[in-house]
Amino acid sequence: DQQVKQNSPSLSVQEGRISILNCDYTNSMFDYFLWYKKYPAEGPTFLISISSIKDKNEDGRFTVFLNKSAKHLSLHIVPSQPGDSAVYFCAASGVAGGTSYGKLTFGQGTILTVHP
Amino acid sequence: DAMVIQNPRYQVTQFGKPVTLSCSQTLNHNVMYWYQQKSSQAPKLLFHYYDKDFNNEADTPDNFQSRRPNTSFCFLDIRSPGLGDAAMYLCATSKGRTNEKLFFGSGTQLSVL
Repeated sequence: DQQVKQNSPSLSVQEGRISILNCDYTNSMFDYFLWYKKYPAEGPTFLISISSIKDKNEDGRFTVFLNKSAKHLSLHIVPSQPGDSAVYFCAASGVAGGTSYGKLTFGQGTILTVHP
Repeated sequence: DAMVIQNPRYQVTQFGKPVTLSCSQTLNHNVMYWYQQKSSQAPKLLFHYYDKDFNNEADTPDNFQSRRPNTSFCFLDIRSPGLGDAAMYLCATSKGRTNEKLFFGSGTQLSVL
């Protein structure tokens, strides 16, 4: 049962344009969401997060939007740069499944390629 | 710089031969995690330590064990690796367990021959 889904395995964008990465979740107990970026042969690095009490969080070129009613979040990168080319994972956390703590559940990732 | 360090970066083992992967952290975080990631899949949590308290995921095979001798170090032991255990193993840390961002090491790529 995949509770966090990234339905687009890959995305290709021209440098300077907007990149939009999407993520859907099924568990309504999730209340904290994160995006991670991963380069080949490296571990994921934290990019941006959002709490369920907000619907938008911005950090420089990166903005995360949360639509709780649709159980959907998206990451916008504007403007996209070739150095942004990486795998992007969304992750969700919340007290669910009988646990007393917020285990982080990851999506499968989306490969972003930004062309010069 | 404070960080999470995994050794080795690449590990080759033989089918059935025990192998140990190591992780150390200088962040002084309470929680240490081990994730398994296979190609094109989501990282999958195997288990975590909250201080000395070990928490196993229900679907983690018995073949996988872990030790945390102190705050800084955590080990992943695979008792009898099978071909299906070939994967990237990621160690991560966090201050607490709820609504915290995780800090990851660079991972160990395990091959089983």
